[in-house]
Amino acid sequence: GAVVSQHPSWVICKSGTSVKIECRSLDFQATTMFWYRQFPKQSLMLMATSNEGSKATYEQGVEKDKFLINHASLTLSTLTVTSAHPEDSSFYICSARDTGTGSSGNTIYFGEGSWLTVV
Amino acid sequence: AQSVTQPDIHITVSEGASLELRCNYSYGATPYLFWYVQSPGQGLQLLLKYFSGDTLVQGIKGFEAEFKRSQSSFNLRKPSVHWSDAAEYFCAVGHLGDMRFGAGTRLTVKP
Repeated sequence: GAVVSQHPSWVICKSGTSVKIECRSLDFQATTMFWYRQFPKQSLMLMATSNEGSKATYEQGVEKDKFLINHASLTLSTLTVTSAHPEDSSFYICSARDTGTGSSGNTIYFGEGSWLTVV
Repeated sequence: AQSVTQPDIHITVSEGASLELRCNYSYGATPYLFWYVQSPGQGLQLLLKYFSGDTLVQGIKGFEAEFKRSQSSFNLRKPSVHWSDAAEYFCAVGHLGDMRFGAGTRLTVKP
């Protein structure tokens, strides 16, 4: 079946630095990808919708200058946490929409997630 | 606005017993409904989804869910729970991406 890959799975960075997380659709093209954030023992919160070739759409309360999203190709979206601080430490998950035909069409697939720890 | 409610934060069942996890939603149109499972420190795995058609949906790992429009519910069921089913379960509603998740229900399985 379709697979969405996230990299890195774990990352530790110093406060004030930036870190990039990649989300790739491995066997389908995804014009739309989504970024979620999950704090420990909480649910997933949609941060932004990433659209290939255009600007991302951010949810209310999400700082677009802090969480930079780039969707330069049909199989890759990146989330860059700029000037990271300890409160940005969280589990970040991406998803991609397979709009192809067949039984997998119009289905959302999630990546395995990326743990970010800012020290 | 769309929203998802999972009334049960934590459920404990004995291995071999039946399971039902509740999910209620609020959505302006016919929703797309999903159930995901998440093991500790892991990503999400899709158990099943409902788009249209038969309101009883079969998923992986022996799970099923029933869409009841009149009750705005999409409850997840399993006839006999295995110890490996212990995890966090999330109900989600959306239209192919702009998904909203419930708070999750943590399932503990007793031997």
